[in-house]
Amino acid sequence: DAGVTQSPTHLIKTRGQQVTLRCSPISGHKSVSWYQQVLGQGPQFIFQYYEKEERGRGNFPDRFSARQFPNYSSELNVNALLLGDSALYLCASSLDVGVGKNIQYFGAGTRLSVL
Amino acid sequence: AQSVTQPDIHITVSEGASLELRCNYSYGATPYLFWYVQSPGQGLQLLLKYFSGDTLVQGIKGFEAEFKRSQSSFNLRKPSVHWSDAAEYFCALPYAGKSTFGDGTTLTVKP
Repeated sequence: DAGVTQSPTHLIKTRGQQVTLRCSPISGHKSVSWYQQVLGQGPQFIFQYYEKEERGRGNFPDRFSARQFPNYSSELNVNALLLGDSALYLCASSLDVGVGKNIQYFGAGTRLSVL
Repeated sequence: AQSVTQPDIHITVSEGASLELRCNYSYGATPYLFWYVQSPGQGLQLLLKYFSGDTLVQGIKGFEAEFKRSQSSFNLRKPSVHWSDAAEYFCALPYAGKSTFGDGTTLTVKP
């Protein structure tokens, strides 16, 4: 079975541009979460979606937005890119949002570089 | 608010030696705790998980971790390290469907 897939693998943008990152969860998983991992730090929670609804939001500015589609795939959008947005963006999928069942499985990430 | 601290940024051990990576947490109740491993260019792979019950948890690749409530710790151990264990290790506290991570410990294995 395919794991969590993310695209693209790498991305280079300039300040002020907009970017869209994509994630396909494991088949049967209905929840998708997004994390930002800056070099030298652990992943920081950005969003969680379940059944197309936002279930949680981390401490990120409104430039960050996301959505989940009927097939449970997800997109993360970042507007007005800043140098500080350079990071590895990780997508994680899980069966649902209950803690007992919520083993999150991570994709390999999208490496975003903002110049 | 919950938090996870990994006191060691970088650890170097010789191949075949034992390993212990430290993790301390802050949480208002009995936490759930995970350990993940991240190899270069890879996502996070779950090594083991603690939900409740037995405080000694076995994981994949020969890893184990022990939950100690009195010390607010969940340290990861392996009796004999292999060169392929070189990677970055993250301790995580899942709650309300998301996880709080420590900043990770980078493990280097000397031949």
